[in-house]
Amino acid sequence: GEDVEQSLFLSVREGDSSVINCTYTDSSSTYLYWYKQEPGAGLQLLTYIFSNMDMKQDQRLTVLLNKKDKHLSLRIADTQTGDSAIYFCAESTGDYKLSFGAGTTVTVRA
Amino acid sequence: KAGVTQTPRYLIKTRGQQVTLSCSPISGHRSVSWYQQTPGQGLQFLFEYFSETQRNKGNFPGRFSGRQFSNSRSEMNVSTLELGDSALYLCASSLTGTGASEQYFGPGTRLTVT
Repeated sequence: GEDVEQSLFLSVREGDSSVINCTYTDSSSTYLYWYKQEPGAGLQLLTYIFSNMDMKQDQRLTVLLNKKDKHLSLRIADTQTGDSAIYFCAESTGDYKLSFGAGTTVTVRA
Repeated sequence: KAGVTQTPRYLIKTRGQQVTLSCSPISGHRSVSWYQQTPGQGLQFLFEYFSETQRNKGNFPGRFSGRQFSNSRSEMNVSTLELGDSALYLCASSLTGTGASEQYFGPGTRLTVT
């Protein structure tokens, strides 16, 4: 079955690194995604990782995947105030849909 | 390249009415998915269409329906609206709808049922 879990809140100081964690239960997950949602907006695709990869880096974003533990993380380096948003982890299990976590609200403080 | 567009952006309806929401995918994308987002339930999958065929449907009552046209544009309809249908309805488009195909979301339609 599908069940994606995330911690609900994260507070980080500007300039520090943020790490958002996610766990999933469906071992048939093929792709795992990170989306960002700002107030009043839709979802912005940040990055994704294929399940046979361990790590993917894209500018300030680093995704780590531990397939054995079904654990996914998103690290944002040098966090800025514009990074304040809700971040969603999602998995694709091959049935043309995404299953989302509840979202982690990231607050960047000066 | 233009992104996913959804119309209208905001809608207020009363209980018992019906509503139709529209989604225009990114040019060249043939898969359109719909999601409902509420504070209590989070993001829930409604349905996915590819080349006018529904390939998957989420766990929603039959009052929720959708369709896709030959130009890949999609509409979803909710009949006999209930207060609990108040939500942000998000549409996503992708080339194929499979995991390897990135899904891009529109800004959503905010539906309020009074």
